[in-house]
Amino acid sequence: QKEVEQNSGPLSVPEGAIASLNCTYSDRVSQSFFWYRQYSGKSPELIMSIYSNGDKEDGRFTAQLNKASQYVSLLIRDSQPSDSATYLCEARVGGTSYGKLTFGQGTILTVHP
Amino acid sequence: SQTIHQWPATLVQPVGSPLSLECTVEGTSNPNLYWYRQAAGRGLQLLFYSVGIGQISSEVPQNLSASRPQDRQFILSSKKLLLSDSGFYLCAWSDRGRTEAFFGQGTRLTVV
Repeated sequence: QKEVEQNSGPLSVPEGAIASLNCTYSDRVSQSFFWYRQYSGKSPELIMSIYSNGDKEDGRFTAQLNKASQYVSLLIRDSQPSDSATYLCEARVGGTSYGKLTFGQGTILTVHP
Repeated sequence: SQTIHQWPATLVQPVGSPLSLECTVEGTSNPNLYWYRQAAGRGLQLLFYSVGIGQISSEVPQNLSASRPQDRQFILSSKKLLLSDSGFYLCAWSDRGRTEAFFGQGTRLTVV
């Protein structure tokens, strides 16, 4: 079982629709969760971080975390063609010396006009 | 503010040649440092990470190696490149807390 799994995609949605990206993680002690966006040929950049159960909203983006189900999701409302990218989920175990960052395999999102 | 520098941006190397990719971080101390490789259309494959000078953890056995000679410098090396080493290499850093990972611009390596 992969440590962090994302819905395989690719995901295609029409402009203006809601895109739903999902991620599950296997390590129950994971404490911090991040969504990154990566445009083709570029490096990943942070979209959202979430640490507590529930929803966190930032503009058109909402991250949802359910630690009991070991599930984190990203919703993109009013999707735009500029949202077309690969989205990466990261689940992180905290601690002063723990170093490893674990990413999912990524979900390719295409928003078509 | 913190910045991460990774170079070169693109590299074309013949099979069997050596490799050295360098990454430096500014504006922070004692960062965790990472090397990832990404094949086209695929996710991030963790190659090496380091929690301190001289401390290297290898995730994937292969003909690559990493070194951390200084606190904010991380180097990825190979003595003899293989065709399969082609890919997009990303250096990243994080702190030991809850902030996100920060990535360098990446190096597109093509082994011919």
